[in-house]
Amino acid sequence: NAGVTQTPKFRILKIGQSMTLQCAQDMNHNYMYWYRQDPGMGLKLIYYSVGAGITDKGEVPNGYNVSRSTTEDFPLRLELAAPSQTSVYFCASRHGGGSYGYTFGSGTRLTVV
Amino acid sequence: TQLLEQSPQFLSIQEGENLTVYCNSSSVFSSLQWYRQEPGEGPVLLVTVVTGGEVKKLKRLTFQFGDARKDSSLHITAAQPGDTGLYLCAGVGETSGSRLTFGEGTQLTVNP
Repeated sequence: NAGVTQTPKFRILKIGQSMTLQCAQDMNHNYMYWYRQDPGMGLKLIYYSVGAGITDKGEVPNGYNVSRSTTEDFPLRLELAAPSQTSVYFCASRHGGGSYGYTFGSGTRLTVV
Repeated sequence: TQLLEQSPQFLSIQEGENLTVYCNSSSVFSSLQWYRQEPGEGPVLLVTVVTGGEVKKLKRLTFQFGDARKDSSLHITAAQPGDTGLYLCAGVGETSGSRLTFGEGTQLTVNP
């Protein structure tokens, strides 16, 4: 199993550009998440989904959008990129809520210049 | 908002030493997880503790969940360079079962 696959691994954007970060999982997990990780700041939740067609905001959703049309895919859209969105983005999934553990992807390092 | 505070933020020790990392909150969590993250990779789950007072051992790593389910600790015995990484605790709130709250992590460096 591939687990959680994120693409691209690296990207440089200019201010005002848009892009989509891709996330796919092959474990038939219902729950999927997007986090951003800034140096020394831990993981901040951007958006999450508990199943296809259902999404909800996390702690830092401004400037981002998501969709969940299938169980496998959970893309994150950045509109009008800003330097404050420079970060490492992690997608994660898990089978259910409660005490189920997360499986993380290897991350996308985004720089906005 | 439920917060998890980890201490210390940075820890640099010599191979063979013992260490303890702490994860504290004023809130009660229904369960707590520990992850380790290496540079350029996503966090990897080490353990989940569910019951207050629970102790779990994973080779040289010992995890404990506080009796009141507000805190946890990770103890490493005879640390090795391969233990180097960012250790993150994450809690499931009693009313937010669909998502985890992460601490800011403890960066551990074990020098040979």
